[in-house]
Amino acid sequence: AQKVTQAQTEISVVEKEDVTLDCVYETRDTTYYLFWYKQPPSGELVFLIRRNSFDEQNEISGRYSWNFQKSTSSFNFTITASQVVDSAVYFCALSEDLMDSNYQLIWGAGTKLIIKP
Amino acid sequence: NAGVTQTPKFRILKIGQSMTLQCTQDMNHNYMYWYRQDPGMGLKLIYYSVGAGITDKGEVPNGYNVSRSTTEDFPLRLELAAPSQTSVYFCASTARGPLREQYFGPGTRLTVT
Repeated sequence: AQKVTQAQTEISVVEKEDVTLDCVYETRDTTYYLFWYKQPPSGELVFLIRRNSFDEQNEISGRYSWNFQKSTSSFNFTITASQVVDSAVYFCALSEDLMDSNYQLIWGAGTKLIIKP
Repeated sequence: NAGVTQTPKFRILKIGQSMTLQCTQDMNHNYMYWYRQDPGMGLKLIYYSVGAGITDKGEVPNGYNVSRSTTEDFPLRLELAAPSQTSVYFCASTARGPLREQYFGPGTRLTVT
């Protein structure tokens, strides 16, 4: 069965520390897509990154990086030199390529990240 | 290009009242979704649509109805509001194709008292 697990409910670090948010997924499909979204305190949902199952290259965007490992079914998100503005809830999500998936996203429960000044 | 818009932003309903949450997207996306997010929780899918005239239930459809008469609009109807429907409601859309990320509206914060 398809599932996304974000085991870390809440993480609190001091500004400038590096922090990694874990995401583990289960899927019945060989073609699938993984996503990270950010939900800041203002409440909107902001798309951060998409990865498909054929592309295991790690991605770096400024202070953000993502580590996709099919062998461990993980898609972890690292923030380097964290800043207070990174405080948010971060969601990991999975989209399968099966015909009955209807492009639905299977969501993790989210990790609340608190960056203390 | 406004993306996904939702109205209203906030609403307080009394128990038993009904209302419609509006959602419109201007990206010509086929797929549209309604989610609810309870305080401190993740997203739960209420209903979705794969195109005009086609809708289907998600994980938590009870107490809601939807329609999709056009590609752009996907209203969510709450009948006989209950306190358990107090939540933030998000509408999202995505295009057919390889990209798949869902674009979200700003949300509607609904309180039922």
